[in-house]
Amino acid sequence: SAVISQKPSRDICQRGTSLTIQCQVDSQVTMMFWYRQQPGQSLTLIATANQGSEATYESGFVIDKFPISRPNLTFSTLTVSNMSPEDSSIYLCSVGDRGGYYGYTFGSGTRLTVV
Amino acid sequence: RKEVEQDPGPFNVPEGATVAFNCTYSNSASQSFFWYRQDCRKEPKLLMSVYSSGNEDGRFTAQLNRASQYISLLIRDSKLSDSATYLCVVIPSRDDKIIFGKGTRLHILP
Repeated sequence: SAVISQKPSRDICQRGTSLTIQCQVDSQVTMMFWYRQQPGQSLTLIATANQGSEATYESGFVIDKFPISRPNLTFSTLTVSNMSPEDSSIYLCSVGDRGGYYGYTFGSGTRLTVV
Repeated sequence: RKEVEQDPGPFNVPEGATVAFNCTYSNSASQSFFWYRQDCRKEPKLLMSVYSSGNEDGRFTAQLNRASQYISLLIRDSKLSDSATYLCVVIPSRDDKIIFGKGTRLHILP
């Protein structure tokens, strides 16, 4: 299965600032996914990042708040913009193994605390 | 009916016991099913894929019942290290987004 390197692993940020999270995959993948997981909750899909096109956002998530870059088939970034305490969460990237048929692999997550 | 439903637990089970979880799904056309394990403050990790014929991996057995639209996970001879949250994952089709259950928390008691 793919190996994902996600950075940073955690950060504490001031409200109103932005944080960019990076995910590097050891193989080329068509789609990368960004999730948010709030304490005690399951994962919520933020958006799907496709190389060469705009990311596809889920209901409740907008590009201005969560801009995504996907410059190539092994890398993506998610920015959490103009942060508020409500953005405190764990953010995870994910890729499908062989198109998702064999499951999905997750990055180790970024634990974000906004103060 | 929610897309994917799981009993949130927690299940408090003595070490060595057998424990079973079920997960129901609403889309009868769903194609792929998985069980993931998530430890506290860690990312989810694939535990098992679930096939129509059922599959077994050591102490773990996963089954799919398409007629009743549920998948199950059976853990035999449970270990303390099995304590985690178990997430049911359903993929309606190859190009659809993954649907996660809310997870079932399992505590294995010494």
